[in-house]
Amino acid sequence: KAGVTQTPRYLIKTRGQQVTLSCSPISGHRSVSWYQQTPGQGLQFLFEYFSETQRNKGNFPGRFSGRQFSNSRSEMNVSTLELGDSALYLCASSWRDSSYNEQFFGPGTRLTVL
Amino acid sequence: AQSVTQLGSHVSVSEGALVLLRCNYSSSVPPYLFWYVQYPNQGLQLLLKYTTGATLVKGINGFEAEFKKSETSFHLTKPSAHMSDAAEYFCAASRSSGGYQKVTFGTGTKLQVIP
Repeated sequence: KAGVTQTPRYLIKTRGQQVTLSCSPISGHRSVSWYQQTPGQGLQFLFEYFSETQRNKGNFPGRFSGRQFSNSRSEMNVSTLELGDSALYLCASSWRDSSYNEQFFGPGTRLTVL
Repeated sequence: AQSVTQLGSHVSVSEGALVLLRCNYSSSVPPYLFWYVQYPNQGLQLLLKYTTGATLVKGINGFEAEFKKSETSFHLTKPSAHMSDAAEYFCAASRSSGGYQKVTFGTGTKLQVIP
């Protein structure tokens, strides 16, 4: 079974631009979560989607948004990029919304904002 | 509110020595607990998890963790460190909240293994 895939793996943007990151979960997984990872802040939860509905959102500004499609693939978008948005963005999927189900992580997208 | 505390952002051990990475959770209801490992330039990979039943949980690569409710702890151990264990380790707690799963990660502990 293929793992979680994220595209692109690396991205370089300039301030003010916008970016869209993509995540394909493991087949059959309906929950997709996004995290921002930085050396100073660690893993910060962005949002979680389940069956195309956003169910949970972290403390990030409205510039960060996401969506999930009917095939469970998910995208996140960051508008008006700032230098502080440089980070590794991780996507994780799980089979369903049970607390005891572990998350399966993709390799991440490394975003650099210049 | 649920929180996860990992004591020590960096831990160094000699090859062959005991590995002990500490994790404490703060929750009125014991959550489900997980340890993940992250190698450089990769995503997180599950090492082990505690849901119910036996409090000593064995995971991959020789790691194990013990759930101690009285101490609200879930420390990760390995009897003998190997160079390949050098990575960052994250403890996570998960519980149902408002009808959906809420996962909280610790800030991570970087393990250095000295030859």
